[in-house]
Amino acid sequence: KNQVEQSPQSLIILEGKNCTLQCNYTVSPFSNLRWYKQDTGRGPVSLTIMTFSENTKSNGRYTATLDADTKQSSLHITASQLSDSASYICVVSRRTTSGTYKYIFGTGTRLKVLA
Amino acid sequence: DAGVIQSPRHEVTEMGQEVTLRCKPISGHNSLFWYRQTMMRGLELLIYFNNNVPIDDSGMPEDRFSAKMPNASFSTLKIQPSEPRDSAVYFCASSFFARGDQPQHFGDGTRLSIL
Repeated sequence: KNQVEQSPQSLIILEGKNCTLQCNYTVSPFSNLRWYKQDTGRGPVSLTIMTFSENTKSNGRYTATLDADTKQSSLHITASQLSDSASYICVVSRRTTSGTYKYIFGTGTRLKVLA
Repeated sequence: DAGVIQSPRHEVTEMGQEVTLRCKPISGHNSLFWYRQTMMRGLELLIYFNNNVPIDDSGMPEDRFSAKMPNASFSTLKIQPSEPRDSAVYFCASSFFARGDQPQHFGDGTRLSIL
């Protein structure tokens, strides 16, 4: 069954600290993995997109890693800021035999950064 | 640059009424996606279009839901008749082709409440 699981469900950290969010998937065949940031009341914003051959991709203080063998990804946030408070959603896509793409969403990690 | 524009931002209506949600994608994008987000189920892809043609509507929950894209700059998602369980935030997103490696740009959603 194609699934994406994220952990933790929620996380509270102090401003300036680092944190790591996890995403495990059982999607096959794998096409790519995305991390989105969603602020309250807003639509998701793409942070990174990684294909099978990519192990690491950075976007400012956000660094995503991908281990295609273990089917795990992580999103590391460095020197957190109050504006990092948001939900972070992991999405894995797979290509079907008919050539269309299916997108499997995790339920997200809700991050709260405290001053 | 204008992002994806959705209207209305909020809609409250009684069950049984017809609801029409509207979306204007980013100019030049040729793929358009409709999503639904609830606390229980997270983000779900309902349908997506390539070049105004519906490619995958397997996420549309039932016949009460329909989506159209009459031209490259406009799409609608219609629910008729609406039910309380349709209450959710509906997002529209657009991208360059529904390839796995293209970021999707989301609107800020329509918060729908069916009483």
